[in-house]
Amino acid sequence: DTAVSQTPKYLVTQMGNDKSIKCEQNLGHDTMYWYKQDSKKFLKIMFSYNNKELIINETVPNRFSPKSPDKAHLNLHINSLELGDSAVYFCASSQLGLNSPLHFGNGTRLTVT
Amino acid sequence: KNEVEQSPQNLTAQEGEFITINCSYSVGISALHWLQQHPGGGIVSLFMLSSGKKKHGRLIATINIQEKHSSLHITASHPRDSAVYICAVNSGGSNYKLTFGKGTLLTVNP
Repeated sequence: DTAVSQTPKYLVTQMGNDKSIKCEQNLGHDTMYWYKQDSKKFLKIMFSYNNKELIINETVPNRFSPKSPDKAHLNLHINSLELGDSAVYFCASSQLGLNSPLHFGNGTRLTVT
Repeated sequence: KNEVEQSPQNLTAQEGEFITINCSYSVGISALHWLQQHPGGGIVSLFMLSSGKKKHGRLIATINIQEKHSSLHITASHPRDSAVYICAVNSGGSNYKLTFGKGTLLTVNP
């Protein structure tokens, strides 16, 4: 039983393309997140959603658009991909905000060529 | 300067040694998280602390709110403990934004 699952695991694409990463959690959590881990392995918050509503948008370019059709899903769509978007993207969830433990997906390694 | 500073950046130990990783932060927080990232890349939550001390198996985490400092201890270390350990805090009055340290790479040799 995978708690937080994200697909695909690997994504290789060319500059200028549009791509999506999907995330689903079966834990009944209210809060979901997208994090970006750069080439130096540094993690940064991108978006936080609580019960399908956007709470945090951390100065992410407009080319990144999260979509939460229901509180179990938080998908990330990226338009006009750039070389600098290459990174590992992690989805996570928690019961209610950050005063509860986080559960991470396995990550999506995005490579833009 | 990052809001969350970890030390050391790299740590090599022999199997069986007692390990300490430190985390200092500069802002008021309501919770601090310790995470583990294995070489395969997956991230696992080890502890979430708002005060005091927590223990899980060979892992112990402590936090001193007044001093803005937390430590992660590993007793009787084992090669399978080799991983990156990351400290993160929710700050800025937000319950939805984590700020991460740069991580400590731990290598435990047999």
